[in-house]
This record gives sequence, C-alpha cells and structure tokens, in this order.
Amino acid sequence: EVQLMESGGGLVQPGGSLRLSCVASGFAFGNYWMSWVRQAPGKGLEWVANINTDGSATVYVDSVKGRFTTSRDYTKNSLYLQMNSLTAEDTAVYYCARATGENSVDYWGQGTLVTVSS
Amino acid sequence: VVLTQSPLSLPVTLGQPASISCRSSQGLVYGDGNTYLSWFQQRPGQSPRRLIYKVSDRDSGVPDRFSGSGSGTDFTLKISRVEAGDVGVYFCMQGTLWPWTFGQGTKVEIK
Repeated sequence: EVQLMESGGGLVQPGGSLRLSCVASGFAFGNYWMSWVRQAPGKGLEWVANINTDGSATVYVDSVKGRFTTSRDYTKNSLYLQMNSLTAEDTAVYYCARATGENSVDYWGQGTLVTVSS
Repeated sequence: VVLTQSPLSLPVTLGQPASISCRSSQGLVYGDGNTYLSWFQQRPGQSPRRLIYKVSDRDSGVPDRFSGSGSGTDFTLKISRVEAGDVGVYFCMQGTLWPWTFGQGTKVEIK
C-alpha cells in the first residue's frame, strides 16, 4: 500500500524557517518524481514544487522561488521542503504527493499544517 | 495557465447526474500529443484523491459513475448518479505547462 506521511509543520513567525519531511512507503521511491502541493485554509490547491527521480532537477511555482528548496534522501525514502523567509501567505496545509508519468499526482499524504503568524 | 471551473457550487439530488466544467486559458495538448488534465475529489476533512487523468482515464478503484471528457481548452467531469459519498470539492488540474495549476474547485452537496 502506498503511504506518504508528512511532518514538521507548526507555528512560525514571519521571516522564519521551517523544514517539512515526507516519508514514503509501499512503492519504489527512487523511481518517481515527487511533488509538494499546498492548500490555504478554506481555499483551493496550489502546486508548489516538483523534484525529479535523482534529485538533480527541481521546479517551483514563482511565489516560492528563491525561498523554498525541495530535496530527497533515498536512504531514508524521504522528501523534504526547506521553507525560508516565510510570510502569512505561506500559511497552508502542505501535502507531499507522488508524481506520475501522466504529468499528474496520484497518491497524497495527509498533509501538515504550517501557520505563519506573530 | 488559469483553469476556471463552473459552477463553484453544485447542489444535486441523490441519484441524479452532475456535471462540472473546467475551462483552460490555453490549450492543454502537450508536445507528445497527450492532454494532461486530471480531476480530483476532496471529501470533507480528507486529502485529495485522483479520479481521472489524461482527460478521461479513470484511476483504479474509481466507480464508473465518474467520467471525464473534453479536448483543447474545455473539459468536463460527469457523475452519472450522485451518491451521498460523492459530497466534497472537485478540482481539475493541468500538468501540460509549468507551473502545474488547479481550478478553484467545485463544491458538490446534496439538496
């Protein structure tokens, strides 16, 4: 069974940093691109970033470029999102998701809530 | 790419059909000839679940009551007979052009 489990969310002050983690199981982690998608409270979905299979290529939505960095560790079947210079607009539930060859995402984690507030 | 869904709210009678439109600001045919338009269901309090990919391919385990269609810039998700478990928000998503984008969501509720 494919499972994705995020952690690391919490309350952080504006300008602060946070690192999210996502542990994958039930599939060959190294064979899949991975994605981060966020959802502000009561709002829609926003794709944040993708990382390729070996971690050598990443792509980000403009609103997080230069502030967020995604990476992966095969030895731990883990995906990470380092978030710096956080603002209130980054407040959201952050999901990790498995990207597919159909330029889509199929499995999602349960999400972790990031709240940026003073 | 901006995806515009309509309606944003859809009250439906149990057993009746429902239809959600997703219109793209640009054509979604990729260079390989495929159209990367997906549909997701998000039940209250849950993570999204993919229903449809590449316009009309249904994910494993998704009831055949759900179907996707369309081409170019106009796409539709249809539920042939709405059940109580179909309540939630439905999103379309395009993976043809960076950045991938989602529609704003359509809330399906029972009348």
